[in-house]
Amino acid sequence: GAVVSQHPSWVICKSGTSVKIECRSLDFQATTMFWYRQFPKQSLMLMATSNEGSKATYEQGVEKDKFLINHASLTLSTLTVTSAHPEDSSFYICSAPPRGGPKSNQPQHFGDGTRLSIL
Amino acid sequence: QKEVEQNSGPLSVPEGAIASLNCTYSDRGSQSFFWYRQYSGKSPELIMSIYSNGDKEDGRFTAQLNKASQYVSLLIRDSQPSDSATYLCAVRESASKIIFGSGTRLSIRP
Repeated sequence: GAVVSQHPSWVICKSGTSVKIECRSLDFQATTMFWYRQFPKQSLMLMATSNEGSKATYEQGVEKDKFLINHASLTLSTLTVTSAHPEDSSFYICSAPPRGGPKSNQPQHFGDGTRLSIL
Repeated sequence: QKEVEQNSGPLSVPEGAIASLNCTYSDRGSQSFFWYRQYSGKSPELIMSIYSNGDKEDGRFTAQLNKASQYVSLLIRDSQPSDSATYLCAVRESASKIIFGSGTRLSIRP
């Protein structure tokens, strides 16, 4: 069964709206979660790493004031796209490290993704 | 900038044949390698992981790793139409970050 739950799966909203995406680890604690963005026919690009109880680490070129990340508990990380515009339309996917921890050799657990469409 | 390179395809293979997907990576210190399958509009799902040189087989899938050549491949035997998808090669950096290739689109023709 799924070990990472992501919600919502699909959002359509007007330009200027802020959109919040939730990522929950199920029956395990994740002190770190990863947020990816994928444009059509392109690969997953890591946007940021959220850290429970501290600030997120953003990848180069990702606007931290636009993509707000909060990791308030050991099972929940949220990504808020503030004042979204059509160019923010994309597929956003979260993932959690393997149960052995971020540096384990095991693969990450991915959420089902959120398709965001800004009109 | 550490990179993972894949041929974008599309790679067209007849049903029942062997599909061969290739990937090269730039970080010689990488230790963990993964192949994910992604259907359109869906999240990636893990197909294979490999950590040491040589072959690793799981059902119709075989992953091959050659660290000296910085090369990892995925073979799919007896290809089925349901195997049609984009296959992502992923490499774990020395820290916790995973870098994905751009993906290879595979099409299995009946």
